[in-house]
Amino acid sequence: QKEVEQDPGPLSVPEGAIVSLNCTYSNSAFQYFMWYRQYSRKGPELLMYTYSSGNKEDGRFTAQVDKSSKYISLFIRDSQPSDSATYLCASGNNFNKFYFGSGTKLNVKP
Amino acid sequence: SAVISQKPSRDICQRGTSLTIQCQVDSQVTMMFWYRQQPGQSLTLIATANQGSEATYESGFVIDKFPISRPNLTFSTLTVSNMSPEDSSIYLCSGGPGASYGYTFGSGTRLTVV
Repeated sequence: QKEVEQDPGPLSVPEGAIVSLNCTYSNSAFQYFMWYRQYSRKGPELLMYTYSSGNKEDGRFTAQVDKSSKYISLFIRDSQPSDSATYLCASGNNFNKFYFGSGTKLNVKP
Repeated sequence: SAVISQKPSRDICQRGTSLTIQCQVDSQVTMMFWYRQQPGQSLTLIATANQGSEATYESGFVIDKFPISRPNLTFSTLTVSNMSPEDSSIYLCSGGPGASYGYTFGSGTRLTVV
């Protein structure tokens, strides 16, 4: 079993839709969670980072962690064609080693 | 968040040679990491580089093949030694002050070994 599982997609939505991206993780000791956006041929760009459970909002992006079910989510409101990219989730513990999901490819159609 | 400049952005190398990849951070960061990413795949951690100590390598990666330097809190290098076509990949560095603040990435080095 992988430490972090992520549906590879692709996920295709119309412009303006609410996008839900999800990951599950296996290690209950994980306390740190991050979401990255990666455009083709670019390095991952840090979008959100959270500690423990709860929600964190930044503009159109909301990160949510449910430690009871080991489930992490990223919501994108009012999605734009420029949001089309691969989204990577990552989880880790106090020792600063992070495990990455395989990435979900998102396509927002104009 | 820290901004990381990585170079070279790409290179084509002959088998048997070595390539050194550099990452410069615009602020002092405690943790730096080196990853490998095959096209369309997720990231595989090669090693964690801490200033003033030996790098910690993940299973499947060894210091002789991937020597790492971390001379100060803003700079690190990864060398891919005695390259073979199997080393063709994207190499990424990452760093930050700590897990509570998130880690940023360099733009990556696309390596092709011929």
